[in-house]
Amino acid sequence: DAKTTQPTSMDCAEGRAANLPCNHSTISGNEYVYWYRQIHSQGPQYIIHGLKNNETNEMASLIITEDRKSSTLILPHATLRDTAVYYCILISTLYNNNDMRFGAGTRLTVKP
Amino acid sequence: DAGVIQSPRHEVTEMGQEVTLRCKPISGHDYLFWYRQTMMRGLELLIYFNNNVPIDDSGMPEDRFSAKMPNASFSTLKIQPSEPRDSAVYFCASSLGRRTEKLFFGSGTQLSVL
Repeated sequence: DAKTTQPTSMDCAEGRAANLPCNHSTISGNEYVYWYRQIHSQGPQYIIHGLKNNETNEMASLIITEDRKSSTLILPHATLRDTAVYYCILISTLYNNNDMRFGAGTRLTVKP
Repeated sequence: DAGVIQSPRHEVTEMGQEVTLRCKPISGHDYLFWYRQTMMRGLELLIYFNNNVPIDDSGMPEDRFSAKMPNASFSTLKIQPSEPRDSAVYFCASSLGRRTEKLFFGSGTQLSVL
C-alpha cells in the first residue's frame, strides 16, 4: 500500500519555482519525509529529507505542514536539467525498519 | 569515492539462462539494497542487507531469484532460470547506517531476456 500520494505529472517553466506536493496523511511520528529524483536512465538521486521542520540545501527546500500530513518540495529556479521523476517516500527510524519503497512519483517537465 | 558500481551495464540473454548481476557498494556503507524497475511496476525493493546479512527479502519475486553478499564490498543478484518477464533495470544502492538512510544508487543494469 502506498504511504504517499503525488500527482502523476507537472510542468514548470524554466527559471520559475517548481512546487511538488506530497500527501502522507498516515505518517507516523518516527517517519521522516525523503525526496529523491530520477533523471532518465539514471539511478535515483537523493535530494533532501526532514522530520518536522522545514529544510533547505543547495538543491531544494522542503516544507512540511505543521500536522505533518503533507509536504512540498521546492526547486527555487528550475532548469531543463531538473526534468525528472520526483519521489516522496517515508522512512521510519525504528530499529530494523529500513524498507525504502518508492511509489510512482511525479514526472516534472521543465519547459523553456 | 567512485560511488556504487554495478556490472554489467547491459545484459542480453536467452530465456532459461542464468544471469548474475554484480554490485560494489560505497566503501564503509553498511546497508545494501537491490531494486528492480519496470514501466509497469515502477521501482521495487527486492532485498536489502545490513552488515552483509540479508534483512528483508520479501520483495524477491520467486525462488528463481537469489542474492548474496559474501563481504562488505561485493554483492550479487542471480536469476536462474531467467524468463522474459525478468527484463528490467536492476539497481543496487548503499547507505551508511539506518539513521541517515540517504541512499546512493548505482547506474543500474539493463537486463533483456529474450
